[in-house]
Amino acid sequence: QVQLVQSGAEVKKPGSSVKVSCKASGGTFSRYDITWVRQAPGQGLEWMGGILPVFGTADYAQKFQGRVTITTDESTNTAYMELSSLKSEDTAVYYCARDLTTTIGGFDPWGQGTLVTVSS
Amino acid sequence: SYELTQSPSVSVSPGQTATITCSGDALPHQYVYWYRQKPGQAPVMVIYKDNERPSGIPERFSGSSSGTKVTLTISGVQAEDEADYYCQSTDSSGTYVFGSGTKVTVL
Repeated sequence: QVQLVQSGAEVKKPGSSVKVSCKASGGTFSRYDITWVRQAPGQGLEWMGGILPVFGTADYAQKFQGRVTITTDESTNTAYMELSSLKSEDTAVYYCARDLTTTIGGFDPWGQGTLVTVSS
Repeated sequence: SYELTQSPSVSVSPGQTATITCSGDALPHQYVYWYRQKPGQAPVMVIYKDNERPSGIPERFSGSSSGTKVTLTISGVQAEDEADYYCQSTDSSGTYVFGSGTKVTVL
């Protein structure tokens, strides 16, 4: 059973960067497509981007192009999402999830989420 | 940008049927996925490819599609079904999009 465990909550200053990790257990990590979704307080879900580890290629939502970088480290079965030039509007819970595009589609399972607070 | 439209809220009594809709111009050509999100928890997929249930999801959850609208139906609603529900699909360029979410309240 695939399980995704994310890093802990972060508090960041405006203009800084944050890097959230997502460690996978179960299955073959190189076969996972990992996606990142965020949810601002009281708001809906917003797709940020994803990565295909087997190809090492990442795809980003236009809104985050140039500010987000998604990577993986197969040696530790971990995916990372780094968001730069943080603004208060980036305060949100950030989720990783396995992207099942190559099988049934959709995202499952999800990590537990990481709260990132951007405040001066 | 492409949008998926959901009604903001649905209220239903226990044992009744909750119907949640999601509309989008590309839906006749793209699959829809549904997620349930309880307060303080991560989303969980309850329907994939418009009308298929993942293992472990109760049979009372079902999905259907018709043209530019897809529907999530919860039959015999239980108190534990109270949550936010999101539809998700892709636009013409393959970018993933979520609906705005529907809050299901069990009276």
